[in-house]
Amino acid sequence: AQKVTQAQTEISVVEKEDVTLDCVYETRDTTYYLFWYKQPPSGELVFLIRRNSFDEQNEISGRYSWNFQKSTSSFNFTITASQVVDSAVYFCALIFQTGANNLFFGTGTRLTVIP
Amino acid sequence: KAGVTQTPRYLIKTRGQQVTLSCSPISGHRSVSWYQQTPGQGLQFLFEYFSETQRNKGNFPGRFSGRQFSNSRSEMNVSTLELGDSALYLCASKRGESTGELFFGEGSRLTVL
Repeated sequence: AQKVTQAQTEISVVEKEDVTLDCVYETRDTTYYLFWYKQPPSGELVFLIRRNSFDEQNEISGRYSWNFQKSTSSFNFTITASQVVDSAVYFCALIFQTGANNLFFGTGTRLTVIP
Repeated sequence: KAGVTQTPRYLIKTRGQQVTLSCSPISGHRSVSWYQQTPGQGLQFLFEYFSETQRNKGNFPGRFSGRQFSNSRSEMNVSTLELGDSALYLCASKRGESTGELFFGEGSRLTVL
């Protein structure tokens, strides 16, 4: 069975602090894809990153970085020097079928950045 | 370029009624999928269409149905509405069949009274 766990329901940080959002996944498939999406108050989900199971290289994009570790089935997301605009709900998700759209989402982490 | 457009954005229905939601994908995108978001169940996959064919379906009762037209626009229908159908319904599109980025609309918020 596929499962994505985001144990942190809500996190509050003060602006300019670093914050890490945790994501742990379960799947028996050897080929799978992991995603992070951001949901601002407007409602649409905004794509942040995709990583396939064969690529454990960590990635940095501006203030965002992702740490993928297959050994611990984790795909954590760090925001450096947080800003008020980062306030949103962040979802980790998993696809286990190549080409499919059926994302299995975690329950999300609500991040509040306090000015 | 225009994003994914969903209509209506908000609607209120009563139990037993039916509802149709519409989604216009990004121009050139042939794949459309639908998700339901509720506080209790979170984000759940409903179904996926590619070139007018349903390719995948989530674990929802038959009251939930959908279709895709030749211009890639999609509709989903919920019949015999129940209180638990109150949710944000999100549509997403992507260009082809690769496992890539989904572009989401802002959703249709359905309230069932």
